[in-house]
Amino acid sequence: QSALTQPASVSGSPGQSITISCTGTSSDLGGHQYVSWYQQRPGKAPKLIIYEVTNRPSGVSDRFSGSKSGNTASLSISGLQAEDAADYFCSSYINTITVFGGGTRLTVL
Amino acid sequence: QLHLLESGPGLLKPSETLSLTCSVSGGSISTSRFYWAWVRQPPGEGPEWIGSVYYGGSTYYNTSVKSRVTISIDTSKNQFFLRLNSVTAADTAVYYCARHYSDFSNWFDPWGQGTLVTVSS
Repeated sequence: QSALTQPASVSGSPGQSITISCTGTSSDLGGHQYVSWYQQRPGKAPKLIIYEVTNRPSGVSDRFSGSKSGNTASLSISGLQAEDAADYFCSSYINTITVFGGGTRLTVL
Repeated sequence: QLHLLESGPGLLKPSETLSLTCSVSGGSISTSRFYWAWVRQPPGEGPEWIGSVYYGGSTYYNTSVKSRVTISIDTSKNQFFLRLNSVTAADTAVYYCARHYSDFSNWFDPWGQGTLVTVSS
């Protein structure tokens, strides 16, 4: 059982916007800004797309954005494209241990 | 551009020891800004952080595997290593190595391509 809770799946049509939630506790996700998000396409390694809640690494589309409110972090994707279809994982930190969410599968209809 | 590549046996029997190597190219492993991590992902599940090592040799591990795991580093070869003792079927997963930024932050980038390790009798 993952320490961070994500919906198993979300879907959207091309051009639409979607949001994926990641819920933890005040001890992990709610206690700091060390939240990151990863995109994983089938058969590939995870790719960092958001770090420190809102920051995008160089080369990541600005259609991806992150936020946090209390014990819940969110990843938003605007202007959905077919290439966004993937699994998305959130990650946080508690007492020197990194924890991940169980993942959300994004289907682009 | 930094590139990480995992290598090691893909099939183990229960009770054996898992040994993997991560070879780093395109940059030095002897950097003060980063740790180097092992992360595994069981089939159909989310990732699990195993542990991380600093170029000076200091390590920290996930409590879930702490009694069975050793992560080490060889700066002369630009490689770091994972050893996991007494494996069971529950250790079947894709094992990734990754650069780990953990200095007042926490993220992994880049990741290696991953290597599937299956534990089966």
